[in-house]
Amino acid sequence: DARVTQTPRHKVTEMGQEVTMRCQPILGHNTVFWYRQTMMQGLELLAYFRNRAPLDDSGMPKDRFSAEMPDATLATLKIQPSEPRDSAVYFCASGLPGHNYGYTFGSGTRLTVV
Amino acid sequence: GNSVTQMEGPVTLSEEAFLTINCTYTATGYPSLFWYVQYPGEGLQLLLKATKADDKGSNKGFEATYRKETTSFHLEKGSVQVSDSAVYFCALGAQSEGGSYIPTFGRGTSLIVHP
Repeated sequence: DARVTQTPRHKVTEMGQEVTMRCQPILGHNTVFWYRQTMMQGLELLAYFRNRAPLDDSGMPKDRFSAEMPDATLATLKIQPSEPRDSAVYFCASGLPGHNYGYTFGSGTRLTVV
Repeated sequence: GNSVTQMEGPVTLSEEAFLTINCTYTATGYPSLFWYVQYPGEGLQLLLKATKADDKGSNKGFEATYRKETTSFHLEKGSVQVSDSAVYFCALGAQSEGGSYIPTFGRGTSLIVHP
């Protein structure tokens, strides 16, 4: 089965450090999402790309977070500087546009900021 | 705007019991409806979907029927197993006014099945 690959699976970092999370969407999928999952807030949409162009990043704290798709096989989410409140599991999902399609999620990056 | 409301968990059942997880939605137009499952330490996986009213989605013994009259998409399984223990998310997909297709997820319902 085709998979969305996320790296790293786990990341522990000190407050103030830069964190980069990577995602390889399924080949042929032109829609990519970044989500953050916490116990308190549940799933939060951070960014949404179609054909590598950012269409919605309203859920992302702009002062420290940035999301890009340098090419069709790679999406990145960066946090600089990181803070303890950023500790969460970050998921990437890819799919095709249209509301009839479901999306395929990666296994996530568990980030801990100490 | 679009929204999805799920019953709060955890839902705790004994093996072979009947499962229902309620889901209702609010949306304009004609959304598609989905159930995703998240096992511990993993991402969400698409479990089943229905794209129009009265459609029934089914997979792995789970099923859900798209009820437009009650705006519901309840998840059911006749006999749960310990391996079904997971968090279940109801979601809807609809085109927004801006033309995007951002899915709307419920908060998730944790299911715990005891032997």
